Amino acid sequence: QVQLVESGGGVVQPGGSLRLSCAASGFTFSSYGMHWVRQAPGKGLEWVAFIRYDGSNKYYADSVKGRFTISRDNSKNTLYLQMNSLRAEDTAVYYCAKDHVSGADAFDIWGQGTMVTVSS
Amino acid sequence: DIQMTQSPSSLSASVGDRVTITCRASQSISSYLNWYQQKPGKAPKLLIYAASSLQSGVPSRFSGSGSGTDFTLTISSLQPEDFATYYCQQSYSTSITFGQGTRLEIK
Repeated sequence: QVQLVESGGGVVQPGGSLRLSCAASGFTFSSYGMHWVRQAPGKGLEWVAFIRYDGSNKYYADSVKGRFTISRDNSKNTLYLQMNSLRAEDTAVYYCAKDHVSGADAFDIWGQGTMVTVSS
Repeated sequence: DIQMTQSPSSLSASVGDRVTITCRASQSISSYLNWYQQKPGKAPKLLIYAASSLQSGVPSRFSGSGSGTDFTLTISSLQPEDFATYYCQQSYSTSITFGQGTRLEIK
């Protein structure tokens, strides 16, 4: 079945780095744009980054621009988020999400999320 | 960035009620508006895309309308499983933004 599975979360000190992965299955990964969305504990949803199906375009939220890098390996059906210079306010559940089949930039498939905690 | 404002922030209703949640954009976003449902500890679920298109598998009691800056999500007859938090999201801009959420609680 169509599935996204995130991994790589954990506890990291402020200023540290972490790389998240999102393994896709059940659909043609290389045909869809992919996003990262996060949710701080008890808070709402915040879009983080987008990468086009072929990796040719990438967009970031201002809050992570210059610190986070989204990438993908279509041969491995995997999406990544490299997070550097982490701050306490980056503490959140991080979800990967697939672009809607219509291309509407709606997120029709979500992973289960991976928790990132930035704390000393 | 385009700001998305939902109202109300929370809402109490009973099973069988008709419920409407509103989302307003800080500028026109045409019909680039999507709605999600999230239950505690779970990932969000897409309900409505492009303002009024029902996502496959979503019950027909959910509907969306609007264009420009003002949008609504309507649940025609609340079911017990509908008590959750709802978010709107604009995809007009490459900088995607969500509303702050509307928590729908049982009265």
